Amino acid sequence: AQSVTQLDSQVPVFEEAPVELRCNYSSSVSVYLFWYVQYPNQGLQLLLKYLSGSTLVKGINGFEAEFNKSQTSFHLRKPSVHISDTAEYFCAVGFGGGSEKLVFGKGTKLTVNP
Amino acid sequence: SAVISQKPSRDICQRGTSLTIQCQVDSQVTMMFWYRQQPGQSLTLIATANQGSEATYESGFVIDKFPISRPNLTFSTLTVSNMSPEDSSIYLCSVEEGGVNTEAFFGQGTRLTVV
Repeated sequence: AQSVTQLDSQVPVFEEAPVELRCNYSSSVSVYLFWYVQYPNQGLQLLLKYLSGSTLVKGINGFEAEFNKSQTSFHLRKPSVHISDTAEYFCAVGFGGGSEKLVFGKGTKLTVNP
Repeated sequence: SAVISQKPSRDICQRGTSLTIQCQVDSQVTMMFWYRQQPGQSLTLIATANQGSEATYESGFVIDKFPISRPNLTFSTLTVSNMSPEDSSIYLCSVEEGGVNTEAFFGQGTRLTVV
């Protein structure tokens, strides 16, 4: 079965510290990978996506992610976080055909403290 | 990028009643999707709505409970019928713009509380 696992439900960090949010998936077919951010009381906004090509993907707000096919992972990183990065982050996987029928992870709540 | 408007943004409803959520897109799209986000949970796809055909429901969701309309390429509605407190969730409309830059866009969501 196709599934997406976000290993950490909550990640507290201090401002200007680096952060990594982990995402693993299980699939026997080609996948498309996405990270979305949800700020409090708002909809989802795309941070970055991997469709093909370079496995290191850069997104908005200084975030980047690396697709590792052998480890079936797509971890999200930022070298220095800001308080404004406090939000819920969702990893999503499209199993073939683009982003239709996305399967979402349970989300990681990132809290950046001063 | 597609801009999606959802109405209402939030509502508090009595159990046993129904609520219809509207989703308006600023461009014509083939596929529209409805998701549910239960409190503290991730997003779960309810159904896919294509214009001119019946919606396709995911496992665990049925048309009698979540009837969907898709009258044209820019609009869809989701009805949550005979509501119970377990239906309290955020309901999100999504559209996909395919091709090389395939990406899903989401509305702001409808926060439903059933009392």
